[in-house]
Amino acid sequence: ETGVTQSPTHLIKTRGQQVTLRCSSQSGHNTVSWYQQALGQGPQFIFQYYREEENGRGNFPPRFSGLQFPNYSSELNVNALELDDSALYLCASSLWVQGDGELFFGEGSRLTVL
Amino acid sequence: GENVEQHPSTLSVQEGDSAVIKCTYSDSASNYFPWYKQELGKRPQLIIDIRSNVGEKKDQRIAVTLNKTAKHFSLHITETQPEDSAVYFCAAPHKAAGNKLTFGGGTRVLVKP
Repeated sequence: ETGVTQSPTHLIKTRGQQVTLRCSSQSGHNTVSWYQQALGQGPQFIFQYYREEENGRGNFPPRFSGLQFPNYSSELNVNALELDDSALYLCASSLWVQGDGELFFGEGSRLTVL
Repeated sequence: GENVEQHPSTLSVQEGDSAVIKCTYSDSASNYFPWYKQELGKRPQLIIDIRSNVGEKKDQRIAVTLNKTAKHFSLHITETQPEDSAVYFCAAPHKAAGNKLTFGGGTRVLVKP
């Protein structure tokens, strides 16, 4: 069984740039959620993808967008990067569309915006 | 939307003692309450969860209690060991975001040998 994998693990960008983060879900999982974890804080829900469509969104601006592909892998895109976007971005896959089942997290992509 | 508050933010205990972390939530319709453990530089991992139809659940040295009337739930770790040192997060479904999990701010637990 393959776990959740994310890439890249670390990256540095400057303000105003755009970034794409990638996630491969755990084998057999069809739902992918993205979370932002700032240093010393809990993960904040960005959005979820199910059957290639956005299925729920947290309090994040439209410059945060995503995709899910037919193989259930997913991308998170952030445009017009701001300093406050510096964080660990966690992808989590699950068998559950609703929030009442286990999330399997990847190791995360640590983004630094200078 | 769901607001999950977690206390304390840091907790230092002597090896062998017990540790208790408490969380409150705002949405009375929430029905699932997991706890995740995140070791330094690692991914969060589920350690125990409870659903609203029970008041307590145990798994070896870990237990979770739920009080739906007061809208709070707690994690109890007994006979703490150095490997229990980590950050622990509680969570509850976020109704405003289609019942996706909202996490508390985390508790950094340090078990001193």
